[in-house]
Amino acid sequence: GAVVSQHPSWVICKSGTSVKIECRSLDFQATTMFWYRQFPKQSLMLMATSNEGSKATYEQGVEKDKFLINHASLTLSTLTVTSAHPEDSSFYICSALDRFISGNTIYFGEGSWLTVV
Amino acid sequence: DAKTTQPTSMDCAEGRAANLPCNHSTISGNEYVYWYRQIHSQGPQYIIHGLKNNETNEMASLIITEDRKSSTLILPHATLRDTAVYYCIVKTGANNLFFGTGTRLTVIP
Repeated sequence: GAVVSQHPSWVICKSGTSVKIECRSLDFQATTMFWYRQFPKQSLMLMATSNEGSKATYEQGVEKDKFLINHASLTLSTLTVTSAHPEDSSFYICSALDRFISGNTIYFGEGSWLTVV
Repeated sequence: DAKTTQPTSMDCAEGRAANLPCNHSTISGNEYVYWYRQIHSQGPQYIIHGLKNNETNEMASLIITEDRKSSTLILPHATLRDTAVYYCIVKTGANNLFFGTGTRLTVIP
């Protein structure tokens, strides 16, 4: 299947700083990418949907000024957690939609562990 | 998107077939059935998807009932590496995937 790569796999940052997570579709063009967050022992929760060249659509309760999403190209989307706090520590996962696969199949990255200390 | 119902957990003996059921009684005609799995601390892995017909690939088989209200994911020869949470999801078009709680499959040696 298609490959989606996230970087970094894990990051530790100090409270109050910002951290950027990249999501790349390696072998297909993704006009739509999704960002999820997963807390321990919980299911994935959608944070936002990003379409290439336009502003992201955020789910209810997700602060758009805190979680900045940029989808500037067909193969790259970034999530920036601004002024991170310990409660932002979580597993962040991106996914990309391949429109050329029947049903618009979505592929996921490996995930990025964020720890805010 | 229609919601799905899956058992919370299942066990399967190593080498045997694992049959994971999913109910999606409110599925609409243009919604696909997708299966993903998530191994601990990793991103979800795509397994298989289908619309009406049964599907098979190198990982699994997907059996969809004629009325499309339920489906079964079959792992023909389960290994210890198949221990994971399996998610059954129905999706329309370019919409996102809604993750329920899934089925925690434990493959027992």
